[in-house]
Amino acid sequence: EVLLVESGGTLVRPGGSLRLSCAASGFTFSGSDMTWVRRAPGRGLESVAYISGGGGTTYYAESVKGRFSISRDNAKNSVYLQMNSLRDEDTATYFCARRSGTYYAFDIWGQGTVVTVSS
Amino acid sequence: SSELTQAPAVSVALGQTVTITCQGDSLRLYYATWYQQKPGQAPVLVIYTKHNRPSGIPERFSGSSSGDRASLTITGALAEDEADYFCGSRDSDGSNWVFGGGTKLTVL
Repeated sequence: EVLLVESGGTLVRPGGSLRLSCAASGFTFSGSDMTWVRRAPGRGLESVAYISGGGGTTYYAESVKGRFSISRDNAKNSVYLQMNSLRDEDTATYFCARRSGTYYAFDIWGQGTVVTVSS
Repeated sequence: SSELTQAPAVSVALGQTVTITCQGDSLRLYYATWYQQKPGQAPVLVIYTKHNRPSGIPERFSGSSSGDRASLTITGALAEDEADYFCGSRDSDGSNWVFGGGTKLTVL
């Protein structure tokens, strides 16, 4: 079964840091580009970070550039999102998702992990 | 970065047809993708590369596009189709991905 499982979400103070993890199984992880997408309360989806299968290419939303960092460990079938200098507006459910081959689509999504930034 | 625009909400009578639209410059370069998200659940891919349906997505879901606009049509809407629908594409500069603001579909 193809599966993505996120973890690491919690309550954190503004200015704090957090590392989210996403464990993949059931497919060739190293061959798949991955992304972190978030949905804040009352808002739409936002792609915050993207990483290629080999890890050599990354993209970030303007809203998180310089604060968030995406990485992956293909030996552990995992992708990570390091979040620093967290702000109230980073409060959201964070999903990891797999890009479907070379299609411009994300076909497998995790169940999400909740990050709450509040004092 | 590019923007994709969607109507915030739309409603449809049970069994009728509804079309949800998405507009943005990036759609002139990249095919639209459509996702369904129900409360408390992860998004689900329903249409990719303009009109393709992943395995398991009912035939009542279809997609089309022209110029800077893309559409998702549900023919014969069911109560279970009530959800938020998001369009997505690659950013015009080929970097990150962008999503529309989402359309909340209510089935009456």
